[in-house]
Amino acid sequence: AQSVTQPDIHITVSEGASLELRCNYSYGATPYLFWYVQSPGQGLQLLLKYFSGDTLVQGIKGFEAEFKRSQSSFNLRKPSVHWSDAAEYFCAVAPDSSYKLIFGSGTRLLVRP
Amino acid sequence: DSGVTQTPKHLITATGQRVTLRCSPRSGDLSVYWYQQSLDQGLQFLIQYYNGEERAKGNILERFSAQQFPDLHSELNLSSLELGDSALYFCASSVMVGGDTQYFGPGTRLTVL
Repeated sequence: AQSVTQPDIHITVSEGASLELRCNYSYGATPYLFWYVQSPGQGLQLLLKYFSGDTLVQGIKGFEAEFKRSQSSFNLRKPSVHWSDAAEYFCAVAPDSSYKLIFGSGTRLLVRP
Repeated sequence: DSGVTQTPKHLITATGQRVTLRCSPRSGDLSVYWYQQSLDQGLQFLIQYYNGEERAKGNILERFSAQQFPDLHSELNLSSLELGDSALYFCASSVMVGGDTQYFGPGTRLTVL
């Protein structure tokens, strides 16, 4: 069955430090890959997406993600975290010919001042 | 602001009751998706409509139903409500039927007492 794993439930980083959030998926082919962010009491905002092409994708708010086919991973990175980045981050996949998004369980990011 | 609107923002009701959640997709989007976010199940796909027709079903209970109207807005009907139906219900929309970026609304928080 298709699945998405975000192994870190919580991550705490200091403001200004770098960040990497992990995401692994289980699917036969290369799915469409997404990262969404959810701030408290808010909906889901799309950070970035990968459909094909360059495996390093740039998103909003200074985020980037790298697709690694050999590792079935799509990790999210940011070189310098801001306090406003504190939120919950969801990795999601959409199988190539499918319709639904399959979400990981999310990683809650806490930022230390 | 994603351009997807959902009403109401909050809904409090009692067990056994029926409620209707409403979603208006982004201008030009033909697909509407419904997701449920709960503490125990995470984010789960419920159902998708494309241009008025049901296209896919996920983990949607028989007590739940949805429809998409000619003006493309959608309604999710939840009946015989149980305590476990308390959750955040998101609507998302996209241009195409699948394999496309989904933009999420702010959600409707349902509390069943």
